[in-house]
Order: sequence, then structure tokens, then C-alpha cells
Amino acid sequence: KNQVEQSPQSLIILEGKNCTLQCNYTVSPFSNLRWYKQDTGRGPVSLTIMTFSENTKSNGRYTATLDADTKQSSLHITASQLSDSASYICVVRRNTGFQKLVFGTGTRLLVSP
Amino acid sequence: GAVVSQHPSRVICKSGTSVKIECRSLDFQATTMFWYRQFPKKSLMLMATSNEGSKATYEQGVEKDKFLINHASLTLSTLTVTSAHPEDSSFYICSARDPGTSLHEQFFGPGTRLTVL
Repeated sequence: KNQVEQSPQSLIILEGKNCTLQCNYTVSPFSNLRWYKQDTGRGPVSLTIMTFSENTKSNGRYTATLDADTKQSSLHITASQLSDSASYICVVRRNTGFQKLVFGTGTRLLVSP
Repeated sequence: GAVVSQHPSRVICKSGTSVKIECRSLDFQATTMFWYRQFPKKSLMLMATSNEGSKATYEQGVEKDKFLINHASLTLSTLTVTSAHPEDSSFYICSARDPGTSLHEQFFGPGTRLTVL
């Protein structure tokens, strides 16, 4: 069954601290993995996209890793800011004719002052 | 990245009325657009895939006669919720696939909050 699981479900950290969000997937055949940030009441915004051959990709203070062998990904946020408070969604794209996206349930991050 | 807009951003309507939501790709042509709905604290659920010039493909359990989708141009798709009821209240998000990107990246709109009284 094609699934994407994220942990933790929610997280509270102090401003300035780092954190790491986890994503495990069982999606097959794999095309690429994406991390999105979704602010409350807004649509998701892409942070990173990684293909099978990529192990790490950075976007400012966001760094994503991908281990295609273990089917795990992580999103590391450095020096968190209040504006980082949002839901972070891991999405895996299937490499099929229809190429559907499989969404994780997200991690809700709250950065506290 | 590419920009996708939605209109309106929020709408409140009476039960039994129909509501139309527009999704536009502003700086690229999207042959494929997607409609999602999202309940509070839940992830996005794909409702249908909209292909320009052809009928939309609906996910299992989504009533095509209730959620009418029209993709008349390469930059516009509309979702009409017909005879809306309170259980249709949700956050509706569209996305558009940009064929010009190497990974056919999908860009999401800002969403439309529908409240049916």
C-alpha cells in the first residue's frame, strides 16, 4: 500500500533552536520526494524536491535528506524563526502513468519565543 | 516558482446554493490541474484531476455531479460545488502542473475556505 508517514505529529521548539522532521514512505514506484510548508489557511509551498539519486538538498535554513534504500527522508530546520510555525508535509510522487502524489499527514511545528 | 491563484479566498453561502471556485496559473500554461479538499488538521485529499479540453477524472467516492470541474483553457480551471450542504464546508486547494519544469512540479494555490450555513 502506498503510504507516507511523518513524525512527530506535532512539535514545539524555542526560537533559534534546530529541529528535524521525519518521513517514511512505502510508495512504489518512486519518482521524487517533496517537502512542503503549509501555513494555516494557506496552500502548500514547495521547499525541496529530491529524486532517487539525490541524498541532500538545501533551501536556505531548510535541509532535506533522502535515503532511497531505507525509504526515509528528513527535513532539518536550522536556527528556527517564529515564521517557521506551520505544517510541514512530506509528499512522494509515484512514477506511474498517472503520477499521483501521495501525501503525508504532516508535522505541525510551533516555534515559541 | 510559478504562481497559482484562487478566487475567492473565502466564501460563505446558504445551504442549497452553488459556489464556483476559480484556479488560475498566472505565469505558465497548465494542461493538468488538480483539486484537493482539506479538513482541519488533516492532509490534502485529491478530489479530481482536471485536464484541459477533456473531462475531469474523479477520485473514488467523489461525486462528479456535485463537484463540477471545467478546464476550458490552459490557465483556468473551475470547481463548482452544486447544491452545497454544511458537510461540504472545507478548505479547497487547487494545484497546477508546470510542464516546463524538469520534474513537472506542481504549484498550489492559496486555497478557498468554503463555509455552508
